[in-house]
Amino acid sequence: LAKTTQPISMDSYEGQEVNITCSHNNIATNDYITWYQQFPSQGPRFIIQGYKTKVTNEVASLFIPADRKSSTLSLPRVSLSDTAVYYCLVGLINDYKLSFGAGTTVTVRA
Amino acid sequence: NAGVTQTPKFRVLKTGQSMTLLCAQDMNHEYMYWYRQDPGMGLRLIHYSVGEGTTAKGEVPDGYNVSRLKKQNFLLGLESAAPSQTSVYFCASSNAGLDGYTFGSGTRLTVV
Repeated sequence: LAKTTQPISMDSYEGQEVNITCSHNNIATNDYITWYQQFPSQGPRFIIQGYKTKVTNEVASLFIPADRKSSTLSLPRVSLSDTAVYYCLVGLINDYKLSFGAGTTVTVRA
Repeated sequence: NAGVTQTPKFRVLKTGQSMTLLCAQDMNHEYMYWYRQDPGMGLRLIHYSVGEGTTAKGEVPDGYNVSRLKKQNFLLGLESAAPSQTSVYFCASSNAGLDGYTFGSGTRLTVV
C-alpha cells in the first residue's frame, strides 16, 4: 500500500463542512483511494472509494485531483454523531492486507 | 446477519496467563484478520489468513498465535500475556478489496 499522510486531528462544529486531506505522493497507476470511519468503541467501516475526480454517496464526497497525489474527504453539515476517526488508505482494488495508520480524529462540538 | 462477532468483549488477565480470542464471521469471506489498536497508533495487523487452514504474520505478530481450522472462525491466542499486550483487539473479514472489510466490535484486553 502507498504511504499516506493525514492530519492527526480536526475540530468542527455542528452544521459545518469538514474536509480532511490525505497526501499520497507515491500512489501507483492502479491504486484506489478508500476511506474508513471508526466510531468510538467500534471497528472501522467503509465509507467511500474513488479512483479519480469526484465520488459522492449518502455519507461523504471524495475529491481527487488530476495528479492523484492527494485526496479530500468532505463531510457535509456534520453532526455530533460524525465524531470519529477517519482513515485514508491507498492500494490496489483487490488488496487483501490493509494498514490503517493513525487516521484523523474528527471532533464535532455543539 | 450477524457479520463479524468477537468474544469476549472484555477481559482482564494476569501477567503470564493465557487466553484465546474468538472471531466468527457468517459472510463466507475468504480472508480474516486480527488487528490491535493502541492510543495514537491506529490499527496494526497482527496475523491474517487467506483461507481455511492458512495463516500469515502481519506487522506485530510476536507473542500471538492464530489458527483457522474452519473458514468462519479465526482464533487469536496469547500463550503468556504481558502488560504490553493491553490493547483493543479487532477482528475483520473480507473477500479482498479495499472496500470490502467488515470489522467486529472489538475485545478490550487488560493485562495486569
